[in-house]
Amino acid sequence: QVQLQASGPGLLKPSETLSLTCTVSDGSINSYYWSWIRQPPGKGLEWIGYVHYSGTTNYNPSLKSRVTMSVDTSKNNFSLKLSSVTAADTAVYYCARGGSQLWFWGQATQVTVSS
Amino acid sequence: EIVLTQSPGTLSLSPGERATLSCRASQSVSSSYLAWYQHKPGQAPRLLIYGASSRATGIPDRFSGSGSGTDFTLTITRLEPEDFAVYYCQQYGSSPRTFGQGTKVEIK
Repeated sequence: QVQLQASGPGLLKPSETLSLTCTVSDGSINSYYWSWIRQPPGKGLEWIGYVHYSGTTNYNPSLKSRVTMSVDTSKNNFSLKLSSVTAADTAVYYCARGGSQLWFWGQATQVTVSS
Repeated sequence: EIVLTQSPGTLSLSPGERATLSCRASQSVSSSYLAWYQHKPGQAPRLLIYGASSRATGIPDRFSGSGSGTDFTLTITRLEPEDFAVYYCQQYGSSPRTFGQGTKVEIK
């Protein structure tokens, strides 16, 4: 079964850019859509967007101006960049396989934005 | 965007009992593109149901989904100890994808 593991800095300052990478193992990144989801403390899940292995993307309009997703097929991973972060971007972040239903999820990675 | 409202917020039940979770959409979900996930503390969420009623691979048949349009239900016929968790619905019929706020199924 495919495994996903997100990694990246856990602590950011306001206005910095959040960068997370999700490494896919026991499966290929090719032929699939890949998503990012987050959950702020005490709140529900929020879909950030997805990227297809071909590079096609679809972002949540609420974050679209700050989000960039990409795929690196040579490294079998995909990435999330979120610019100009604020405290409101503090959340646990998940990566998952799928652009519709989310077939497999990685473990949460905590990102905290604080000065 | 489609807003999903789950009820109840918390369900207190005993092992062996039946759990009925509701997910109501603010507008019709296209082609019943609705999924249910189980989330336990410290673990990755797990897909249970997609297409409103299709079980994902490896999901026990005590889990079933039903509904269409704006009203959907997840039923767990006989709760096992490992079923106590938070359950989320998600629609993927339109963009942006959205989730309900979750129903916590706790041991009574």
